[in-house]
Amino acid sequence: GDSVTQMEGPVTLSEEAFLTINCTYTATGYPSLFWYVQYPGEGLQLLLKATKADDKGSNKGFEATYRKETTSFHLEKGSVQVSDSAVYFCALRFSGNTPLVFGKGTRLSVIA
Amino acid sequence: ETGVTQTPRHLVMGMTNKKSLKCEQHLGHNAMYWYKQSAKKPLELMFVYNFKEQTENNSVPSRFSPECPNSSHLFLHLHTLQPEDSALYLCASSQDTGEGYTFGSGTRLTVV
Repeated sequence: GDSVTQMEGPVTLSEEAFLTINCTYTATGYPSLFWYVQYPGEGLQLLLKATKADDKGSNKGFEATYRKETTSFHLEKGSVQVSDSAVYFCALRFSGNTPLVFGKGTRLSVIA
Repeated sequence: ETGVTQTPRHLVMGMTNKKSLKCEQHLGHNAMYWYKQSAKKPLELMFVYNFKEQTENNSVPSRFSPECPNSSHLFLHLHTLQPEDSALYLCASSQDTGEGYTFGSGTRLTVV
């Protein structure tokens, strides 16, 4: 079946460091891809998305590019802040009445 | 304001109690979902409703009973829960267009 694999956390970085969280997927076809973020005590919020190959999603300094050839959607940010500390979830979804398929989440801690 | 409202935010209940969680969305979405998020476990999809009809029940114990009276409201009725049911319960909604979900902030449930 369709699945999403994320790098294991936790990831601990110093402020202003470069962030990469790896995400790869297995799917038959070409799904839409998403990154969600969950801040402490909150639900999940959509961070960015891409709907087709080579699309780049971006928001709040985060970016991810839909790579069909490597079935990847890695999340990057050039300079993280303490306020970016959260759990990040990679997900895929096909159109129609199909559910989102989530990865297990990666916890990021940014220290000052 | 996420567009999906969950109440209550926190709930403590005994194992013999009956309580209900409520979720409301006014985004015009036609699908609603219940997820369970436990510490150190992946997100678990519990129930899916499309146009008020339940389309998925992922082997959830009968002590959890969903209700969807209309496309804007979703309930999760709880009865004789166990301590291991303590978790964050998340509601989400979506359109069937392959877009992502909009999540509520969740209900933090503690069973004592």
